[in-house]
Amino acid sequence: KQEVTQIPAALSVPEGENLVLNCSFTDSAIYNLQWFRQDPGKGLTSLLLIQSSQREQTSGRLNASLDKSSGRSTLYIAASQPGDSATYLCAVDTGRRALTFGSGTRLQVQP
Amino acid sequence: DGGITQSPKYLFRKEGQNVTLSCEQNLNHDAMYWYRQDPGQGLRLIYYSQIVNDFQKGDIAEGYSVSREKKESFPLTVTSAQKNPTAFYLCASSSPGRRNNEKLFFGSGTQLSVL
Repeated sequence: KQEVTQIPAALSVPEGENLVLNCSFTDSAIYNLQWFRQDPGKGLTSLLLIQSSQREQTSGRLNASLDKSSGRSTLYIAASQPGDSATYLCAVDTGRRALTFGSGTRLQVQP
Repeated sequence: DGGITQSPKYLFRKEGQNVTLSCEQNLNHDAMYWYRQDPGQGLRLIYYSQIVNDFQKGDIAEGYSVSREKKESFPLTVTSAQKNPTAFYLCASSSPGRRNNEKLFFGSGTQLSVL
C-alpha cells in the first residue's frame, strides 16, 4: 500500500528566505506527483504536477523535483512571502484508484 | 465560471440523523471523488466514481453512501452509522485524459459537525 510522508509537519521562516518542503513515498511505481496548497478552511489548489518521466517542474518562485528511484520529491519556494503561508500537501498517483496524500506541511512566513 | 461547487459550507448533524453533502461540477469531468480531512491530517478517500452510474469504495467508506446519476453531480450521504462524522469534506474531479497528466480540481469543502 502506498504511503506518503511529509517532513516537517510545520515550518516557520522569516520573509525572504528560501525553503524546501519534503515528500517521500513508499511505492516508486507512480504516474505523477502533485503539490497542492491549502488555505485554512478552504479546498486544495494544484500548484505543480510532475509526470513520472520528468525530473522537475517550475512555476514562478516554485520548483518541484522528483526522484522516483528514491521515492522523494521536494518543493522549493524562493524568496518566501507572507502570502505563501498555507499548508502544502503532496500526493501521488499510482493509477489504481485516486491520489494518495501526505499529511501536509504547515508553513508560516513571518513578515 | 467553470468549477466545483460544494454546499453547504457548514453542516450540523444530530444524533441518528442522515445528512447529504452536495457536489456539482461543470468542468465536464468524468471522474469525481470524496475525501475526508481531519485536523492536521492528510486526505483520506471515501468514495470515487470514474463514470456515471458507477462508483467504488475508498479507504474509509463505512458509514457513507454516494450516488452518481448525473455526470455533474456526486452527492455524499453521511449516515447515522458513521459514529465520528466531524471532519472537513472535500469533493474533487478530474478528466482522465493522458494518464500521467491528470490534474485534480477541488471544491471549497463542507465542514460537518455533530450537535
